[in-house]
Amino acid sequence: ETGVTQTPRHLVMGMTNKKSLKCEQHLGHNAMYWYKQSAKKPLELMFVYSLEERVENNSVPSRFSPECPNSSHLFLHLHTLQPEDSALYLCASSPVLPGREQYFGPGTRLTVT
Amino acid sequence: DQQVKQNSPSLSVQEGRISILNCDYTNSMFDYFLWYKKYPAEGPTFLISISSIKDKNEDGRFTVFLNKSAKHLSLHIVPSQPGDSAVYFCAASGKGGGGADGLTFGKGTHLIIQP
Repeated sequence: ETGVTQTPRHLVMGMTNKKSLKCEQHLGHNAMYWYKQSAKKPLELMFVYSLEERVENNSVPSRFSPECPNSSHLFLHLHTLQPEDSALYLCASSPVLPGREQYFGPGTRLTVT
Repeated sequence: DQQVKQNSPSLSVQEGRISILNCDYTNSMFDYFLWYKKYPAEGPTFLISISSIKDKNEDGRFTVFLNKSAKHLSLHIVPSQPGDSAVYFCAASGKGGGGADGLTFGKGTHLIIQP
C-alpha cells in the first residue's frame, strides 16, 4: 500500500454509539493531522500529532478523542456524537512540522443519525 | 471569520483556454500558500505552493502568483485539460493561521473544463 489510507470509508452511527476512525500512512512521515470538512465549509484542522505527541487541539469537543500509538497510525475515537458532527473526516501526514505540503487520505464520510 | 476566501464556488472554462482561480486571505502572518486539487471520493492532493518571499512559482501548466500587498493569490492553468476538472482548494500556513502547524483552507472552487 502507498500513501495515506483511511478506514472505514463510510460510517453511519447513532448518537449513543462508540466508533473509531483509523488512518495509516506509509510515507515515513513524522507528523499526522485530523481535519473535518462539513458541507459548504472549508476544511477545519482538528488535531496535530508530531512523533506521537499531540501538539495542537483546535478547541475540538471532547466527544472526539484522538490517539497516535506510533508515527504511522492515527485514530479518532468517537462517542455520543451529534447529527451536526456528520462530515467528511480527513487524515493527513507531512514529513515534519510545520506541515506545509501535507498528504491526505481519501477520508471517512461519517453520518450521525 | 474566514481567513482564506475563495469567492467563486465554481468556474467553467473551455478546453485549451486558461483557467484562473483566485484566493484572498486576511491574516498577514501567513507566509506560505498552497493549492490542492480534489477529485470526488478522494482526498486533496498537493498541486503547487509559493513562499511569501516570492511572487510567482511555475510548474508545468500550473503557475501561482502572489500579491502580498493585496493579500491575493491566483492559480493559472494553461492550457486547461478535461482532467483538470476538480475542486481546487487554496490553503495558507503561518503563525496565527490554522494553528502553528496546520493549514487554513478556503472553501474551494469547482473547476469544470468544457470540451
